[in-house]
Amino acid sequence: KAGVTQTPRYLIKTRGQQVTLSCSPISGHRSVSWYQQTPGQGLQFLFEYFSETQRNKGNFPGRFSGRQFSNSRSEMNVSTLELGDSALYLCASSLAKSSGNTIYFGEGSWLTVV
Amino acid sequence: GENVEQHPSTLSVQEGDSAVIKCTYSDSASNYFPWYKQELGKRPQLIIDIRSNVGEKKDQRIAVTLNKTAKHFSLHITETQPEDSAVYFCAASGTTNAGKSTFGDGTTLTVKP
Repeated sequence: KAGVTQTPRYLIKTRGQQVTLSCSPISGHRSVSWYQQTPGQGLQFLFEYFSETQRNKGNFPGRFSGRQFSNSRSEMNVSTLELGDSALYLCASSLAKSSGNTIYFGEGSWLTVV
Repeated sequence: GENVEQHPSTLSVQEGDSAVIKCTYSDSASNYFPWYKQELGKRPQLIIDIRSNVGEKKDQRIAVTLNKTAKHFSLHITETQPEDSAVYFCAASGTTNAGKSTFGDGTTLTVKP
């Protein structure tokens, strides 16, 4: 079974631009969550989608948004990029039939804002 | 919401020694506690997990213990090897936010040969 796939793996953007990252979950997984990882900041929860609905949201500004499609694939968008948005963005999927489901991470998208 | 604290932030041990990483959580509704290992430049990968109806779980050199009353859980690695060097994250999730996992800040473990 294929794992969580994220594209693109690496990208460089300029301040003020916007970016869209894509995530394909493990087949059968209906929950997709996004995390931002920066050195010294650990894994910060962005949001989680389940059946095309945002079910949980972290404490990030409105510039960070996401969506989920009917095939469970998800995208996250960051508008008006800032230097501080440079980070590894990790997508994770899980069955999420009930609480306490293991989440499986993709390889991540490395975003550099210059 | 849930808050997870992880200690220590860095840990250095000699090969063959044991390593212990501790986490505390705040939400009594949390019932699932996984541990992830992240090697440099790679994704976090699940190494062991425990559910609230179990007090201890072991998998070869790795074990996790859970104290629900005190709201803390620990990762124990015995007979450490250089390839155990990585960043380890604990996490908690539960019934109040089924799709959200709250992570600790991570522990950088270095195993010296």
